[in-house]
Amino acid sequence: EIVLTQSPATLSLSPGERATLSCRASQSVSSYLAWYQQKPGQAPRLLIYDASNRATGIPARFSGSGSGTDFTLTISSLEPEDFAVYYCQQRSNWLFTFGPGTKVDIK
Amino acid sequence: QVQLQESGPGLVKPSQTLSLTCTVSGGSISSGDYYWSWIRQPPGKGLEWIGYIYYSGSTYYNPSLKSRVTISVDTSKNQFSLKLSSVTAADTAVYYCAREYYGGGDWGQGTLVTVSS
Repeated sequence: EIVLTQSPATLSLSPGERATLSCRASQSVSSYLAWYQQKPGQAPRLLIYDASNRATGIPARFSGSGSGTDFTLTISSLEPEDFAVYYCQQRSNWLFTFGPGTKVDIK
Repeated sequence: QVQLQESGPGLVKPSQTLSLTCTVSGGSISSGDYYWSWIRQPPGKGLEWIGYIYYSGSTYYNPSLKSRVTISVDTSKNQFSLKLSSVTAADTAVYYCAREYYGGGDWGQGTLVTVSS
C-alpha cells in the first residue's frame, strides 16, 4: 500500500503570501497525484490532477509540480477563500490513497 | 449538471452492516469513463478512500477495508451503493459518494453515520 505524507501539518500565512505544500509518497506514483481543497462543512474539491494539471475552473494561482515520490502544491498569492485544508491523493495501480492533509490558516 | 445524493441510516449498531445509497441525477450511471467512489471522513479527521466501482463493473477497495466492503451499481435506479459489514465505533464518519473522472469529479454533500448502541 502506498502511503502519503504531507508537510507541514499546518501552515500559518497572511493573505497575499505564497503557500508551498509538500506531499511525499512511500513509492513512486509516477504523475498520478491529485490535490484537493476542503473547507469546513463542505465536500472536497479537486484542484490539480496528474500532478500539474488544473481542474476546470481552478484559478491560475494554484499550481502543482513533481513526479515520482515528491510533489508540491503552490498557491502563488493567498486569497481569503484559500484558507482551508489541502489533501494530496495518489491514483497509482487502481488503488487510491489520501495524505493526512495540510491546514492553511490565517496568521 | 450531475448531482449526487447520499442516503441511508444515520445510526448503525456495532457489529451490524452499514448500507448507503448514492442517487445520481442529471446523468446516466451507465455512461462514460467514470469511477463511482465512496470516501469517508471521521469527525475532525482526514479523508479515507473506501473504494470504487469502475464503469466497466470492476471494483477496487482500500486494502484495510476490503474484507468488509462491497460497492455495487443499480443501473435501473441510477444508483450505486456501499455496504460495510461488522462496523465498530471507528467506522463513525461522514460518508461521501463521488463520480470521479480524468480531470475532475462531482461529490455528494456527505452523510454522517454514527456507530453506537
